[in-house]
Amino acid sequence: AQTVTQSQPEMSVQEAETVTLSCTYDTSESNYYLFWYKQPPSRQMILVIRQEAYKQQNATENRFSVNFQKAAKSFSLKISDSQLGDTAMYFCALGVQGAQKLVFGQGTRLTINP
Amino acid sequence: DTEVTQTPKHLVMGMTNKKSLKCEQHMGHRAMYWYKQKAKKPPELMFVYSYEKLSINESVPSRFSPECPNSSLLNLHLHALQPEDSALYLCASSPPFPGTSYNEQFFGPGTRLTVL
Repeated sequence: AQTVTQSQPEMSVQEAETVTLSCTYDTSESNYYLFWYKQPPSRQMILVIRQEAYKQQNATENRFSVNFQKAAKSFSLKISDSQLGDTAMYFCALGVQGAQKLVFGQGTRLTINP
Repeated sequence: DTEVTQTPKHLVMGMTNKKSLKCEQHMGHRAMYWYKQKAKKPPELMFVYSYEKLSINESVPSRFSPECPNSSLLNLHLHALQPEDSALYLCASSPPFPGTSYNEQFFGPGTRLTVL
């Protein structure tokens, strides 16, 4: 069975600061993918960034980057130069190759203050 | 077209009503999903259709009835719902997973359902 844990229910930072959201996971599978999804108050879930487990290089998408520590089963999201529009729920998710389910963490509510 | 659409955006229904939620995608995805999401919680998987066949039913009560008429369309038929079924219902789709490098899901904006 797969599990995903997000230990920070809520976080709050000032605009332009850098913030890191934590995620740990557990799986016995060797082929899997990790995702960070963002769900703003307008509610549509949007993919922020993805990481294939077989890739050693950490994924980056503009101001968003991950720190993927495979041995530690850790997958944190760093948001640089945070903006008001980054205010949202952030969900970490694990998908196993060939399976159709995503396993979601409980989410972190991030607030960016002006 | 790179989006998943859902109608209606909001729905209020009584416990004796019959209603349907609709989801559509034109990305050529062959897997489609229904999720239920309560406030401040992650989405909970309800059903998965793969190549228009029901592949996963997460022990959802029979008052929820999914239907996949074609590869682009997914419906969720609702009947005799309870107030605790009030939630945001999300639809998602993903590329055919055999042979793809990842199983990313694309979500629609959701239908906010209130059962009175």
